[in-house]
Amino acid sequence: QVQLQESGPGLVKPSETLSLTCAVSGGSINNYYWSWIRQAPGKGLEWIGYIYYSGNTNYNPSLKSRVTISLDKSKNEFSLRLTSVTAADTAVYYCARRGEGADDLGWFDPWGQGILVTVSS
Amino acid sequence: DIVMTQSPDSLAVSLGETATINCKSSQSITYSSKNKNYLAWYQQKPGQPPKLLIYWASTRYSGVPDRFSGSGSGTDFTLTISSLQAEDVAVYYCQQYYFSPLTFGGGTKVEIK
Repeated sequence: QVQLQESGPGLVKPSETLSLTCAVSGGSINNYYWSWIRQAPGKGLEWIGYIYYSGNTNYNPSLKSRVTISLDKSKNEFSLRLTSVTAADTAVYYCARRGEGADDLGWFDPWGQGILVTVSS
Repeated sequence: DIVMTQSPDSLAVSLGETATINCKSSQSITYSSKNKNYLAWYQQKPGQPPKLLIYWASTRYSGVPDRFSGSGSGTDFTLTISSLQAEDVAVYYCQQYYFSPLTFGGGTKVEIK
């Protein structure tokens, strides 16, 4: 059973870069789409973007200018970089896989447990 | 972007009764030629990630109790929880995957009356 685990700093200073990694275990990163999704405290869910195992990416236009998602097949993990962060980027960040049987964009399953990232000086 | 609007924001239902959550998309998310509705439903409990309940608007995910059901097409969708159990207390989200960017509804909080 595939499991995802986010890791990275829990505190980032304003204007700096947020960097997170999602480790995939119990399965290969190949042949799937991998996404980042975030949830501000007490708020709803916002899709950040995805990467396909081939390296193709698709980002939410609302964040596109600041986001890079990459993957490392040798480590079976993928990563998120979000530049020039502000307090508005404070959120729980989740990594997730596109669900089995989905075509094109798809739903999310499974999800990681999430990591809270606070932007504060 | 396709805007997903859920209603109500919250509802309180007695144990054993039925909870009905609505989700409306700002444009049709039904792919007519495939006869598929590009909508998923999730359940999120405090401190946990969302958990997939339903995809293709009405296909229940493996292991999801059959008291959860989804329906609808076009722009109007419904998640029904029949015979509400205490463990169903959570926030429920709909999500469209018809068009990028992928978008979620604002969530509906279900509580016990």
